[in-house]
Amino acid sequence: EDQVTQSPEALRLQEGESSSLNCSYTVSGLRGLFWYRQDPGKGPEFLFTLYSAGEEKEKERLKATLTKKESFLHITAPKPEDSATYLCAVQAWGAQKLVFGQGTRLTINP
Amino acid sequence: EAGVAQSPRYKIIEKRQSVAFWCNPISGHATLYWYQQILGQGPKLLIQFQNNGVVDDSQLPKDRFSAERLKGVDSTLKIQPAKLEDSAVYLCASRKLSGAGGTDTQYFGPGTRLTVL
Repeated sequence: EDQVTQSPEALRLQEGESSSLNCSYTVSGLRGLFWYRQDPGKGPEFLFTLYSAGEEKEKERLKATLTKKESFLHITAPKPEDSATYLCAVQAWGAQKLVFGQGTRLTINP
Repeated sequence: EAGVAQSPRYKIIEKRQSVAFWCNPISGHATLYWYQQILGQGPKLLIQFQNNGVVDDSQLPKDRFSAERLKGVDSTLKIQPAKLEDSAVYLCASRKLSGAGGTDTQYFGPGTRLTVL
């Protein structure tokens, strides 16, 4: 069974303090790994898709990386508006559904 | 381009009552998903449609949940009768490509927050 585990469950940083969120996965053949951002009371908002080990993608202060067992979401010099829950999900070959982790709740204090 | 629309945004009901949620996907998106997100957890797939046919409903509690997608566009998800453990956010998502090979992004609606008392 495909599984995704995210750590830490919650992370509190000061503005400008860089850090990384972890997403560990087991899947029967990875077709794609997805990162979403979810603000309170809203649906998940797409950030990145990674397809193969070694791939990296960047968007503003965020950079996502992928290995054969895990993905990292690096946040550089975060701002308070980066506060949200970050969700990781995997899609297996032959499947159309996403399997999500439980998310990391990120808080950036000014 | 308009996003995924859902209604209502909030619903409070008593246990054993019935409730229905509505979703209008992004225009042209063939695949539609319903997810259940319990507080503090990631979304969990309930049912997936491709056009108006069911692709995966393996995690749908069929004794109380039902869903349909008439004409391959809008979809409704119904719970009858509701239980306390059904309290959650119900998310609808849509995806452009059909078929298992595509990895086009799933776009989510704002969700319906259901509280069962």
